[in-house]
Formats: sequence, C-alpha cells, structure tokens
Amino acid sequence: EADIYQTPRYLVIGTGKKITLECSQTMGHDKMYWYQQDPGMELHLIHYSYGVNSTEKGDLSSESTVSRIRTEHFPLTLESARPSHTSQYLCASSELPGTYNEQFFGPGTRLTVL
Amino acid sequence: ELKVEQNPLFLSMQEGKNYTIYCNYSTTSDRLYWYRQDPGKSLESLFVLLSNGAVKQEGRLMASLDTKARLSTLHITAAVHDLSATYFCAVGKTNFGNEKLTFGTGTRLTIIP
Repeated sequence: EADIYQTPRYLVIGTGKKITLECSQTMGHDKMYWYQQDPGMELHLIHYSYGVNSTEKGDLSSESTVSRIRTEHFPLTLESARPSHTSQYLCASSELPGTYNEQFFGPGTRLTVL
Repeated sequence: ELKVEQNPLFLSMQEGKNYTIYCNYSTTSDRLYWYRQDPGKSLESLFVLLSNGAVKQEGRLMASLDTKARLSTLHITAAVHDLSATYFCAVGKTNFGNEKLTFGTGTRLTIIP
C-alpha cells in the first residue's frame, strides 16, 4: 500500500545528542518536505527537496539538515539537540507539476529534548 | 511575503448547527488546500481548490474559493461531534514549476453534543 512513514513516532532525548528523524514514502513522489509544528500552532516549512540530490531550506530557519540520496527517503538530522528543538516534525510528499500537487503527510515525530 | 490568516482561531458549536471558517491570504495564489488535523495526529487532506469560483463538497463540509477577494471558506452543515478537529487552510504558490505551501494559523473546532 502506498504510504508515507516516519520513525520514530515519539522521541525523548537529552541535550547535546545527535538525532535523525526518518521519513520514507512508497508513493513514487519526487517532492518531499519537512515541517515543524508546535502544539496547536501552524506548520512551518523547514526543508524541501524536489528530487534526488536536491535540498533547499524552507521559510523557517532551522539548525537541522536533510539529505536526499534516494527518491523514497528524506531523513532529517539534528547534530546537537537542544530544548528549543522540542516540537512535532511532519514529513510530506507530493507529485510533479501537472497534477494537483497535493501534499500527503506522514504521522509525524513528536520530539522532546530535555 | 505571503500571509495566511484564518478566523476564528477557536470555535465551539453545538451539534446540528451551521458555521463557516474563513481563510484570507495576502497575495495571489495558485491553489488553496484545506486539511484536517486530529489532536496528536498528522494532517488529512480534505479539499484542493484550483480556480476562482471552485466549490467542493464532501459530506457535511463544503469549501469554496474566491481568488479576487483572496478568500476561501469552509462551511460546516449540521455539525456532528466527529467533526471536532483543527482545520488548516494552506495557500500554494508555484515558482519555476515547484509549489510551496504556506499554512494558516488553524481553527480549532469543538462540537458540543
């Protein structure tokens, strides 16, 4: 079944640790996105990719980095986690232009940095 | 800079009543999206509105788009408890064939039995 997956779903970690949030999609989409969402607030785009080896920073500045080595995989890394990174991180993917370009979202990773 | 505003931010309404959520945006858009988010969950796509005058309906929800007024509405008819959620509108802007979404602040809807 075509879907978008994120792991872990919940992560509680200490300050200074390196973490990687995984995002994979089996929908064959070329475009992938990372959003950050604080509880009850709007989503802010932090990274996006239009294809393999393509990554761009989004509208909200973030200390995280991303990579896109495979079409289906778009991991997000924080080299040194801080309490200010506590948030929900949502991954999304969409098709190429010519379609609705609707973005489909994964279940999210809720990150807490102590 | 594109700004997207929703109102109201919070809405409590009784079952069986009708209400409308408004989404205003500051510059021209290419597409307008409505998403639903349940507490602690991800976003579920509800509607994609592609052009001026577009109207889409699914069950008790109906969305419309007026690009001249830069306004989209999400109308709820005869609300039921299952519709309690946060609703986001998002404006899509295309640049060199690639679209980016800017989300509204969200409307937290609570349906009271």
